[in-house]
Amino acid sequence: HVQLQESGPGLVKPSETLSLTCTVSGVSISSYYWTWIRQPPGKTLEWIGFIHYSGTTNYNPSLKSRVTMSLDTSKNQFSLKLSSVTAADTALYYCASEHNYGQFDYWGQGVLVTVSS
Amino acid sequence: QSALTQPPSASGSPGQSVTISCTGISSDYVSWYQQHPGKAPQLMIYEVSKRPSGVPDRFSGSKSGNTASLTVSGLQADDDADYYCCSPAGSLYVFGTGTKVTVL
Repeated sequence: HVQLQESGPGLVKPSETLSLTCTVSGVSISSYYWTWIRQPPGKTLEWIGFIHYSGTTNYNPSLKSRVTMSLDTSKNQFSLKLSSVTAADTALYYCASEHNYGQFDYWGQGVLVTVSS
Repeated sequence: QSALTQPPSASGSPGQSVTISCTGISSDYVSWYQQHPGKAPQLMIYEVSKRPSGVPDRFSGSKSGNTASLTVSGLQADDDADYYCCSPAGSLYVFGTGTKVTVL
């Protein structure tokens, strides 16, 4: 039974770095692509990017200059860092597994991150 | 890259069918997600028309040209939710604007 769980601060100050971790259970992180997706309140979903255990990453061009993703295979976790945040980065952040071409099979429950001073 | 275009709302009575469109598709890969309030999205359709294990066959997908469609047949109360399409667009994935399906 595959489960994903996001963790991290729910409040980040403007201009600081948002840091989230996704803990995966039930499957090795050496499988699949591991993805971050966010959803501002009342809005649609936005793909942030993915990381593969090989180290390959692919980020949304609109966020690429501020995004870094990493993997920790020993903990079966992957992480997201988003720098220089503004109020526009306030959203529910989800981690998910991608099996193939937009097939996001498993999702975490999501964590709300608010950017405010 | 702008979001794919979906109608904001659709509705039907229990037992009826509802079809949601998603325009602006430029790939042969389309997936659909159902999201209940306060919950994470759930994959309902992938690769245009394939259903993951556990998804009822009341959910079906198709694509013609740059428009994909999701049909929910035999509407049930639990189908009352938001639905989002998703497709690759160049080097990224784009989601649709979302459709609120109301079961009357």
